[in-house]
Amino acid sequence: GENVEQHPSTLSVQEGDSAVIKCTYSDSASNYFPWYKQELGKGPQLIIDIRSNVGEKKDQRIAVTLNKTAKHFSLHITETQPEDSAVYFCAAPRRGSGSARQLTFGSGTQLTVLP
Amino acid sequence: GAVVSQHPSWVICKSGTSVKIECRSLDFQATTMFWYRQFPKQSLMLMATSNEGSKATYEQGVEKDKFLINHASLTLSTLTVTSAHPEDSSFYICSARGQGGSDSPLHFGNGTRLTVT
Repeated sequence: GENVEQHPSTLSVQEGDSAVIKCTYSDSASNYFPWYKQELGKGPQLIIDIRSNVGEKKDQRIAVTLNKTAKHFSLHITETQPEDSAVYFCAAPRRGSGSARQLTFGSGTQLTVLP
Repeated sequence: GAVVSQHPSWVICKSGTSVKIECRSLDFQATTMFWYRQFPKQSLMLMATSNEGSKATYEQGVEKDKFLINHASLTLSTLTVTSAHPEDSSFYICSARGQGGSDSPLHFGNGTRLTVT
């Protein structure tokens, strides 16, 4: 199945700085890459996603970039705020999941924004 | 956007009893729902794919007789943990795709914290 690796596992930044989280995937046929934010005690919330026909997508302070050749995609958060502190997960479709499009998740990144 | 509601948000039960968790799609129909399990400080692990009107598909290593899944309608899937033991204590999260089928984003419920004493 798809193997998704995520780095770093923890990331601390000062408020106002940028944060970058990277993921690599193994299946070159993967064509959809979502990012989720999970706050303590809650379910993951979709924050942004990208399909393989584009290289970058931006939504206010959040952006995702995709390098299909290198098989990696990254989450960029600019002007970080304390409320951005959470665990972030990347994901990719699992090979062979067919129409169900099951997702394989990265190991997660604990982002802490220091005031 | 698509809203997935999960109930209860937490439950404590005694060892040997069964617990049922409900997952509802509130504003859309979901022919497929997914059940995940998450241990503290770990990632989400897919347990099973729930298909409306048919049997669920379980991941390798997940006991289907222990984790009973019923997807009787297009808006409701249930997970029943039977004969629960302390090692079943975990955070269980369901998810579903919005309208638009397999190309729709996956949305998650807020999870159920199960504690087996």
